[in-house]
Amino acid sequence: AQTVTQSQPEMSVQEAETVTLSCTYDTSESDYYLFWYKQPPSRQMILVIRQEAYKQQNATENRFSVNFQKAAKSFSLKISDSQLGDAAMYFCAYRIQGAQKLVFGQGTRLTINP
Amino acid sequence: GAGVSQSPRYKVAKRGQDVALRCDPISGHVSLFWYQQALGQGPEFLTYFQNEAQLDKSGLPSDRFFAERPEGSVSTLKIQRTQQEDSAVYLCASSLLGTGEMGGEKLFFGSGTQLSVL
Repeated sequence: AQTVTQSQPEMSVQEAETVTLSCTYDTSESDYYLFWYKQPPSRQMILVIRQEAYKQQNATENRFSVNFQKAAKSFSLKISDSQLGDAAMYFCAYRIQGAQKLVFGQGTRLTINP
Repeated sequence: GAGVSQSPRYKVAKRGQDVALRCDPISGHVSLFWYQQALGQGPEFLTYFQNEAQLDKSGLPSDRFFAERPEGSVSTLKIQRTQQEDSAVYLCASSLLGTGEMGGEKLFFGSGTQLSVL
């Protein structure tokens, strides 16, 4: 079965500090894509960052970066200089190349303390 | 439109009632997805359309769930004889490309319909 596990139901960080959210996944496929989505109280899922499994270089989008460890099947999200607007649920997800559906983890609720 | 639009935003149904949830994807988007998100959980895949064709309905939990996209744009998710376990947020998403090309392409999500079955 293809699964995504987020072991941290909740995380909190001081504003301007750095926080890392963990994600592991299980798949026998070699060609796939990994994503982090943010879900604020509005419920709309917003793509934060994505990573192609065939790329060794970790993806970066401004204050957001990932640590992709393919052999360990680990895909963590680092948020630098945390801002109040970063507070939300964060979901890790992946999609196999050629497949349609995203498989999501259970989510991590991130709180930013002012 | 500018984004994916879903209506209604909230729906309260009595057990046994039929409901219909609407999704307006971004104009021109080929792919459309429905996901079910139970309270405190991640979204789970329900079904996928490429234009008007329903290519995957493996996630639909029972034959009470039915989805359609007759003209390849607006989609409706219908739930017959609702049960309490159907209470969830139903998210719709669309993307520009079709299956096989999708890869790492971004999905655009709507704000969902929160269904409460009493």
